[in-house]
Amino acid sequence: DIQMAQSPSTLSASIGDRVTITCRASQSISSWLAWYQQKPGKAPELLIYKASSLQSGVPSRFSGSGSGTEFTLTISSLQPDDFATYYCQHYNSFPWTFGQGTKVEIK
Amino acid sequence: EVQLVQSGAEVKKPGESLKISCKGSGYKFTSYWIGWVRQMPGKGLEWMGIIHAGDSETTYSPSFQGQVTISVERSTSTAYLQWSSLQASDTAIYYCARGTIFRGVLHHFDYWGQGTLVTVSS
Repeated sequence: DIQMAQSPSTLSASIGDRVTITCRASQSISSWLAWYQQKPGKAPELLIYKASSLQSGVPSRFSGSGSGTEFTLTISSLQPDDFATYYCQHYNSFPWTFGQGTKVEIK
Repeated sequence: EVQLVQSGAEVKKPGESLKISCKGSGYKFTSYWIGWVRQMPGKGLEWMGIIHAGDSETTYSPSFQGQVTISVERSTSTAYLQWSSLQASDTAIYYCARGTIFRGVLHHFDYWGQGTLVTVSS
């Protein structure tokens, strides 16, 4: 199975900060990576697919980059609605796996 | 509008069986895949398995193979996740999600159900 490792596990940031979350795959997954946002008590929501494609309706302050084994999710200017937990997930081959999550907290 | 609506919360005893559901609407159900994801209390997301709603082709994560059964009922556009004998460690929220298709290839989950809380306690 392909393992996904996210860092950091927790991130404290202020409104307006630029935030970067990293996801590493244990082997190459090309660009078959998605990012999801999950708020407490809610289902995850798709932000980014194919490593860098922005899902329709997602604010442009979110962006994704990377290929192979190294990927990043960037929030260009953190907004109050962005405090949540973020997960990467590969879909290169079965079984799909998620990273352990990154919780973005208010500093 | 694409929607996945899951069945309500369940409270069960160890050893009991359970089948939870996920009803799709707003799209051609049989042209997509439905996956299931577990989230144990305070923990992250775990991919359990996925089924093609058209031909019932199913793949399970090794961690869940033999522990659960995923199925679909095309006449009602509903996917199911079932257990034959629940354990306390099955206590979790279970999400269904649609696997999107692009150029005939399965891709990421684009829509999610609201989740079903399953509590297993004696």
